[in-house]
Amino acid sequence: GAGVSQSPRYKVAKRGQDVALRCDPISGHVSLFWYQQALGQGPEFLTYFQNEAQLDKSGLPSDRFFAERPEGSVSTLKIQRTQQEDSAVYLCASSLATRSPLHFGNGTRLTVT
Amino acid sequence: KNEVEQSPQNLTAQEGEFITINCSYSVGISALHWLQQHPGGGIVSLFMLSSGKKKHGRLIATINIQEKHSSLHITASHPRDSAVYICAVTPPLNTDKLIFGTGTRLQVFP
Repeated sequence: GAGVSQSPRYKVAKRGQDVALRCDPISGHVSLFWYQQALGQGPEFLTYFQNEAQLDKSGLPSDRFFAERPEGSVSTLKIQRTQQEDSAVYLCASSLATRSPLHFGNGTRLTVT
Repeated sequence: KNEVEQSPQNLTAQEGEFITINCSYSVGISALHWLQQHPGGGIVSLFMLSSGKKKHGRLIATINIQEKHSSLHITASHPRDSAVYICAVTPPLNTDKLIFGTGTRLQVFP
């Protein structure tokens, strides 16, 4: 595709359910980022991949959050035992290389009820 | 105190007005980004700059590294410019991890 694609666009989960959010970066992009954006706030960093290597996961808020990018392209952000405070828009961004322009997906809006 | 501060938080303007959004940061950076976010979440990168000034159409971004300050200007504003404008910085590490401001919500009325 032409841009970064995220799915699903919207997700409603009951508290305690596990969810998986998918990001398809632009083909050939080495760097991939996940960000969490709470309502009315700026995005906050979750984790960063360079190809399949997860180089920085310092922003993951708890061990319920797990991200992978096993083949260096598609990435999945998994949240186990969701809680209400996990409700946010989860944004994925990719870039061709370090210091290259970032391209963002439209995000997945997660609502935990 | 946030590492990246923007002002104003909200801004309304009449079509045709000249608009300025300000960004101040308190950390060392290798680059500063201006991003546009429309309702629905999609973010578009407008500028990435590390010094001086950049222009694209009606948009101009400037940065003063010594003062740790950047401005985004929109000339001849139009209702389609209505969006949230976000300033973000890249720390001087070997990564492009961004630290975001909270954004400025701009509404331009006809």
